[in-house]
Amino acid sequence: EAGVTQFPSHSVIEKGQTVTLRCDPISGHDNLYWYRRVMGKEIKFLLHFVKESKQDESGMPNNRFLAERTGGTYSTLKVQPAELEDSGVYFCASSPLFGQGSADTQYFGPGTRLTVL
Amino acid sequence: DAKTTQPPSMDCAEGRAANLPCNHSTISGNEYVYWYRQIHSQGPQYIIHGLKNNETNEMASLIITEDRKSSTLILPHATLRDTAVYYCIVRVSNTGNQFYFGTGTSLTVIP
Repeated sequence: EAGVTQFPSHSVIEKGQTVTLRCDPISGHDNLYWYRRVMGKEIKFLLHFVKESKQDESGMPNNRFLAERTGGTYSTLKVQPAELEDSGVYFCASSPLFGQGSADTQYFGPGTRLTVL
Repeated sequence: DAKTTQPPSMDCAEGRAANLPCNHSTISGNEYVYWYRQIHSQGPQYIIHGLKNNETNEMASLIITEDRKSSTLILPHATLRDTAVYYCIVRVSNTGNQFYFGTGTSLTVIP
């Protein structure tokens, strides 16, 4: 079974440009999460999809970030325009639907390293 | 944000058991304890999770105290490839499904 995949693995862009990151979750996983680690900081939650719906986007830093999951399969995270402080590693994770009181084991992708110059 | 406390770093001799502690004194009754690790700059790798009972899988064992306020991840025979940052995570159930990673424990396995 294929794991969570992310594309690209690395992206180097100029400040002010636009970048789109893609995440393909494990097949059949309805939960999809985005996290990121900026330089020297902890891994932080960005947002959570259940199928195509945004369940929680409390971690999105500002309106330059737009996440979509049309059709409930893969997801994209667009940063427009990119700023220097957006540099970091962006991780995607997925998990199957779970019931109240059940575990939610999230499986992470390898991440996309974004460098904004 | 993180509901867990871990030592910042630990060393372990190759071939010996690595015991990584975690305090989660404010854990609620239905909150699971998860362990992940991050090797170098790879994505976090799931290791194990538990609720009340001790758990074991092919990677590790998880010992949870009876009062559930702390737990220990045990790597029975540490190898050099186990050198990583280990995260103990308790998801805050009333604030969505996000994981708070904290700073973790940097485990170094010494030859």
